[in-house]
Amino acid sequence: DAGITQSPRYKITETGRQVTLMCHQTWSHSYMFWYRQDLGHGLRLIYYSAAADITDKGEVPDGYVVSRSKTENFPLTLESATRSQTSVYFCASRGPSTEAFFGQGTRLTVV
Amino acid sequence: GENVEQHPSTLSVQEGDSAVIKCTYSDSASNYFPWYKQELGKRPQLIIDIRSNVGEKKDQRIAVTLNKTAKHFSLHITETQPEDSAVYFCAASRGGSGAGSYQLTFGKGTKLSVIP
Repeated sequence: DAGITQSPRYKITETGRQVTLMCHQTWSHSYMFWYRQDLGHGLRLIYYSAAADITDKGEVPDGYVVSRSKTENFPLTLESATRSQTSVYFCASRGPSTEAFFGQGTRLTVV
Repeated sequence: GENVEQHPSTLSVQEGDSAVIKCTYSDSASNYFPWYKQELGKRPQLIIDIRSNVGEKKDQRIAVTLNKTAKHFSLHITETQPEDSAVYFCAASRGGSGAGSYQLTFGKGTKLSVIP
């Protein structure tokens, strides 16, 4: 099915662990994004990518790493999870003349 | 970078009344302004968008207006219904090339409650 999917949907991890959130889209959109959503802050951009092997920092990149070896995948890694990274994470993709489509979200809890 | 301010943060209206949400943006190069609706526990979904060569766009009960000079755009919902209750986000984006092209910067959201 065409679309954008995230996995896992829910994740509980311990402080200091490495965690990777996956994002896959089937439209071959050039642009992909990772946002975190926290109450009172809306959607804040963590990282974005304009094409395979091209990534750039957003508003809140500290503690996160991304890669984009293939157009359709854009994983987000928390190298050493902290409690402040407890959040809902949304991946999104768009083309130059399309709307942005969001994945279902990943609810991450760091204990 | 772009900065988007959104007001109000919460809005309660009686069913059948109109609701207006306002946003301002800072980057004069921004040329695409979408509005997203997010129901509880769901992903944001586009409800309407407008590009900078258009001043107003309407889709049934929803309309968006854009004032490029003032860097201001608004969402208007008429004849509100309980199913309009959700969080609404405005966003701004620019095209072109270079860092930041096509990324969406969001406002902090407006929680709309429609009271039956």
